[in-house]
Amino acid sequence: RKEVEQDPGPFNVPEGATVAFNCTYSNSASQSFFWYRQDCRKEPKLLMSVYSSGNEDGRFTAQLNRASQYISLLIRDSKLSDSATYLCVVNSYSGGGADGLTFGKGTHLIIQP
Amino acid sequence: GAVVSQHPSRVICKSGTSVKIECRSLDFQATTMFWYRQFPKQSLMLMATSNEGSKATYEQGVEKDKFLINHASLTLSTLTVTSAHPEDSSFYICSARDRVAGANGYTFGSGTRLTVV
Repeated sequence: RKEVEQDPGPFNVPEGATVAFNCTYSNSASQSFFWYRQDCRKEPKLLMSVYSSGNEDGRFTAQLNRASQYISLLIRDSKLSDSATYLCVVNSYSGGGADGLTFGKGTHLIIQP
Repeated sequence: GAVVSQHPSRVICKSGTSVKIECRSLDFQATTMFWYRQFPKQSLMLMATSNEGSKATYEQGVEKDKFLINHASLTLSTLTVTSAHPEDSSFYICSARDRVAGANGYTFGSGTRLTVV
């Protein structure tokens, strides 16, 4: 079972629509959760952290369900510039002290004019 | 905000040669640097974790003698791909954690696209 699973898409969405992505993670001991955005041939950039109570940043809303081990991202009023790959990222601190991030493969979003 | 400078951004090398990739944290101390590799349409895979002044910790399946990591100072970590082969062609990205910034403090370099011919 993969550690972090996402639907790769692509999601083709008209401009202005609302789109939602989900992600599941396998390690119940995971402690930190993030959504990153990666543009083609670029490094990932932090979009937002995901908190247990859910959090919102402008048009973006993130939710975490620890019981079901899934994370969601909602984008409202989508813009052409939202076209990118969205990476679900989990941090599971290991006993060895290594705390690198575990990335999903990403969900590819295409906003169409 | 925190910045990690990664060089080179793109390199093409002949099979059998070695390539060094540098990552520098510009305005913070990176006690830990993470090295990732990303193949086309795949997720970023953690290769190794390096801590300043000590040996790197490699993930399972990553050859430590092939991917040499040096983290000699709090602001510089290097990854050397030795005797590179075409299958090593990939996108290599470093990430440093700014511990002052807390759990959200992971900053990525801009990546190095390695092509081995």
